[in-house]
Amino acid sequence: EVQLVESGGGLVQPGESLRLSCAASGFNFHTDWMHWVRQAPGKGLVWVARIRNDGGGTSYVDSVNDRFTISRDNAKSTLYLQMNNLRVDDTAVYFCARGRGIQGEFDYWGQGTLVTVS
Amino acid sequence: SYELTQPPSVSVSPGQTAIIACSGDKLSEKHTSWYQQKPGQSPLLVIYQDNQRPSGIPARFSGSKSGNTATLTVTGTQSMDEADYYCQAWDRDFIVFGSGTAVTVL
Repeated sequence: EVQLVESGGGLVQPGESLRLSCAASGFNFHTDWMHWVRQAPGKGLVWVARIRNDGGGTSYVDSVNDRFTISRDNAKSTLYLQMNNLRVDDTAVYFCARGRGIQGEFDYWGQGTLVTVS
Repeated sequence: SYELTQPPSVSVSPGQTAIIACSGDKLSEKHTSWYQQKPGQSPLLVIYQDNQRPSGIPARFSGSKSGNTATLTVTGTQSMDEADYYCQAWDRDFIVFGSGTAVTVL
């Protein structure tokens, strides 16, 4: 059974940093592209970042570029999101999701972890 | 930046058909996926590659595309289908979600 379990969320002040983790199991983590998607309270889904299966290529939504860094440890089947210089508008539930294939759909999602910047 | 446009809300009576549209520039050239999200839950993939249904998704969910508009159709809508629905596509190296449509089953 595929499982994605996020952790690391919490309450931080503006300008502080936080690192989210997403522990994957039940599939060959090293073969799949992975993503972070966030959802502010009462708002829609916003894609944040993605990383290629080998960790060699990343991309970000403009609003987090230069502040967030996505990475992965294939040996530990874990995805990360390092978030620096957090802003109030970064407050959201952060989901990790598996991308199927190259530029494919998101077929599995974690339960999300809440980040509050206040 | 690329945008996908959805209606904010759709209302449907039980047993009737709900139709949700998603439009975007050159969407005809991209694959569209659809996600269902119920309150307090993670999104669930219900349609991918415009019209493919993942294993376990009921046959009452279907997808189609005409020109630059993708459509999610729920035939014989049930109360359990009440949720937010989001379309999604890739634009170059980025992913875009539509603004979401709240489906209410009256």
